[in-house]
Amino acid sequence: GAGVSQSPSNKVTEKGKDVELRCDPISGHTALYWYRQRLGQGLEFLIYFQGNSAPDKSGLPSDRFSAERTGESVSTLTIQRTQQEDSAVYLCASSPLVYGDQPQHFGDGTRLSIL
Amino acid sequence: DAKTTQPPSMDCAEGRAANLPCNHSTISGNEYVYWYRQIHSQGPQYIIHGLKNNETNEMASLIITEDRKSSTLILPHATLRDTAVYYCIVRVRSGGYNKLIFGAGTRLAVHP
Repeated sequence: GAGVSQSPSNKVTEKGKDVELRCDPISGHTALYWYRQRLGQGLEFLIYFQGNSAPDKSGLPSDRFSAERTGESVSTLTIQRTQQEDSAVYLCASSPLVYGDQPQHFGDGTRLSIL
Repeated sequence: DAKTTQPPSMDCAEGRAANLPCNHSTISGNEYVYWYRQIHSQGPQYIIHGLKNNETNEMASLIITEDRKSSTLILPHATLRDTAVYYCIVRVRSGGYNKLIFGAGTRLAVHP
């Protein structure tokens, strides 16, 4: 079946521009997560969605970062006034249930490069 | 939060078993151990998870010590395609949901 899909796969933009990153989770998955991975490093948690609500936004680095989810499906991560330190791979994951030991399934990420 | 410690890198000959260790000495009783791997330019791929008992699936086996302070991921017959960074993660329960904390992982190189 279809896995987690992210678009675009690559995005190059100039410093100061806004970007939108999209995540299509596995159908029926209630929980959705965004992570960031800088070059050569592990994953940093950004935000978690339970349905369309985001009970944990604690990982968002600044108020330039925001995310939403609609229809308990697609999620969009928006970065305003991008900075060079925002360059990273942004990964989305989903899991069937909020509770329990269900593993998270990841997309292949959006590689964001800020010039 | 329970932290994990893994060796930064390991080598393995193709066809041999790869045994990847992980220490998680501060793990709590209700925390699961998860293993993921990440092949270059791809998202992390779930491999296996366990709580107390040893687990096996089509990809790997997970051996957890009786005191739960460490575990070993075993790839029984490593292939070149198993070359990846392997992450051992203790799932943090926060407000009832699961936030994965990834460390640096172990870079496994499988060679002919």
